[in-house]
Amino acid sequence: DVKVTQSSRYLVKRTGEKVFLECVQDMDHENMFWYRQDPGLGLRLIYFSYDVKMKEKGDIPEGYSVSREKKERFSLILESASTNQTSMYLCASLSVYSNQPQHFGDGTRLSIL
Amino acid sequence: AQSVTQLDSQVPVFEEAPVELRCNYSSSVSVYLFWYVQYPNQGLQLLLKYLSGSTLVKGINGFEAEFNKSQTSFHLRKPSVHISDTAEYFCAVSERSGNTGKLIFGQGTTLQVKP
Repeated sequence: DVKVTQSSRYLVKRTGEKVFLECVQDMDHENMFWYRQDPGLGLRLIYFSYDVKMKEKGDIPEGYSVSREKKERFSLILESASTNQTSMYLCASLSVYSNQPQHFGDGTRLSIL
Repeated sequence: AQSVTQLDSQVPVFEEAPVELRCNYSSSVSVYLFWYVQYPNQGLQLLLKYLSGSTLVKGINGFEAEFNKSQTSFHLRKPSVHISDTAEYFCAVSERSGNTGKLIFGQGTTLQVKP
């Protein structure tokens, strides 16, 4: 069974801090995704990666960057955290060689004070 | 570009009653369709998917959905709900062409099952 693990369930940081959210998948999936979930807005794609060191912007990339140095790990970086980045962040992965949909982690609830 | 609209933000229903959660989509290309469920403090879990074939799709936990191409809808139904079905439900689409697997989500519908 596919497992997508996000390193923290809850995280509290201060405005201006650099924040790292980590995601690891164990099924050798090619594609990985970072979403942000807010009430009434559903999930919105921040960035996705289709290979090591390869990335594409999603719908709301402003204020975020990503890193994929190894196939199994996809990191989301808040360069200088702001209060409007308080949200639930969800990571997902996908194999492009199957017709299976994305598998999601349990999410990180991030609060920026 | 695609978009997904879930027509109800909240659906209250009594236990053992039937329920329908509505989803409409807009796309200029062919799409795959999905319903995900999110229980409190958890990630998203796939309920069911439509890739091709029969337009009536059965999923886990007794849910089913019907793809209606002419109405561009993919409504989720369950004939008799349980308290444990209380959760948030998301409809999503992805393009058939390409291999990114990117999903476009609706705004979500909170199903509140009352005893």
